[in-house]
Amino acid sequence: AQKITQTQPGMFVQEKEAVTLDCTYDTSDPSYGLFWYKQPSSGEMIFLIYQGSYDQQNATEGRYSLNFQKARKSANLVISASQLGDSAMYFCALTAGGTSYGKLTFGQGTILTVHP
Amino acid sequence: SQTIHQWPATLVQPVGSPLSLECTVEGTSNPNLYWYRQAAGRGLQLLFYSVGIGQISSEVPQNLSASRPQDRQFILSSKKLLLSDSGFYLCAWSSGTSGYNEQFFGPGTRLTVL
Repeated sequence: AQKITQTQPGMFVQEKEAVTLDCTYDTSDPSYGLFWYKQPSSGEMIFLIYQGSYDQQNATEGRYSLNFQKARKSANLVISASQLGDSAMYFCALTAGGTSYGKLTFGQGTILTVHP
Repeated sequence: SQTIHQWPATLVQPVGSPLSLECTVEGTSNPNLYWYRQAAGRGLQLLFYSVGIGQISSEVPQNLSASRPQDRQFILSSKKLLLSDSGFYLCAWSSGTSGYNEQFFGPGTRLTVL
């Protein structure tokens, strides 16, 4: 079975500063993928970034980067130069196994609040 | 470009009443389709997924069911709603069978069962 743990229920950051959102995962499958999604108060789920288990380099997408530490089974999201619009709930999710058909296991989420 | 629609956006239903939520995808063929439920302030729980017409897999046994009558249509149903069925229901799609493509989510349906 797969499991995602997000231990930070809430995080606060000052505008223009960087913030790291933690995510640890557990799977026995050697092939897996990790996703981060953003959920604003409107409820929509917005895909941010993806990291594959065999990717040699950490994923980056604009202001988002993923600090992937495979041995520690962690996939932390780093948001640089925080903006007020980054205030939202953030979810880490895992898919594992070649026949999983993309089924995602989500963590409980972290609420990020960006202060001006 | 691909778009995903869900309706209704909000729904208030009495306990014991039936339910039908619809999801349609445009701009892609043979997508993988998913139904998730999110309780207030919590993560998403996968309810059903489908890799093709008429092919439904259930992840959580409950009084809900899903159907895929057309390639890009996914329906979530219940014959009798329970209070515990309240939540935010999200439909999503992804392409391919590798499982490593991102899922794109619809706007969701907020269901309140009274």
